[in-house]
Amino acid sequence: EAGVTQFPSHSVIEKGQTVTLRCDPISGHDNLYWYRRVMGKEIKFLLHFVKESKQDESGMPNNRFLAERTGGTYSTLKVQPAELEDSGVYFCASRGLGSTDTQYFGPGTRLTVL
Amino acid sequence: GENVEQHPSTLSVQEGDSAVIKCTYSDSASNYFPWYKQELGKRPQLIIDIRSNVGEKKDQRIAVTLNKTAKHFSLHITETQPEDSAVYFCAALYTNAGKSTFGDGTTLTVKP
Repeated sequence: EAGVTQFPSHSVIEKGQTVTLRCDPISGHDNLYWYRRVMGKEIKFLLHFVKESKQDESGMPNNRFLAERTGGTYSTLKVQPAELEDSGVYFCASRGLGSTDTQYFGPGTRLTVL
Repeated sequence: GENVEQHPSTLSVQEGDSAVIKCTYSDSASNYFPWYKQELGKRPQLIIDIRSNVGEKKDQRIAVTLNKTAKHFSLHITETQPEDSAVYFCAALYTNAGKSTFGDGTTLTVKP
């Protein structure tokens, strides 16, 4: 089966601009997660969708970040306006319902804010 | 919330030696502990996991141990090979909540 895909793989923008990241989960996976790794530190949780609903958005850093998952398939994460500290690698992961707890990660989007 | 600490941050071993990476967690409700391997420029890949009702799990050269009382779990890699070089992340989660809390990562270098 196809894995989790993310687009773009890299994005370089200037402070104050807007960027939208996209994640396509594994087909049929209702659970979708966004994570971020900043400056070689730990991978930090941002939010969790179950289908199109936000189950947990406790990790979202501030209101400059907006995540959507219309239709319960792919998800977007918009950063507007971007700040320098938003630079990092944004990972998406998906998980199916049922007994398996394994989260499958996408390749990540490396965001650089100049 | 959950807090996971991972040690060491870097580890260098000679090919054929063993490598051990340790993690501690804070939330006794956590019941699932996966380990991910991330090679340079690639996605984190699950390599082994353990649930709270099990003390040890092994898969070929990789094993994970869990001590629920002490709230720590460890990854053991035996007979290391250069292709084991990567960043390894431990994570803890309460499966009903779903979100993973990760350690800072360990950069393992296996020298030929």
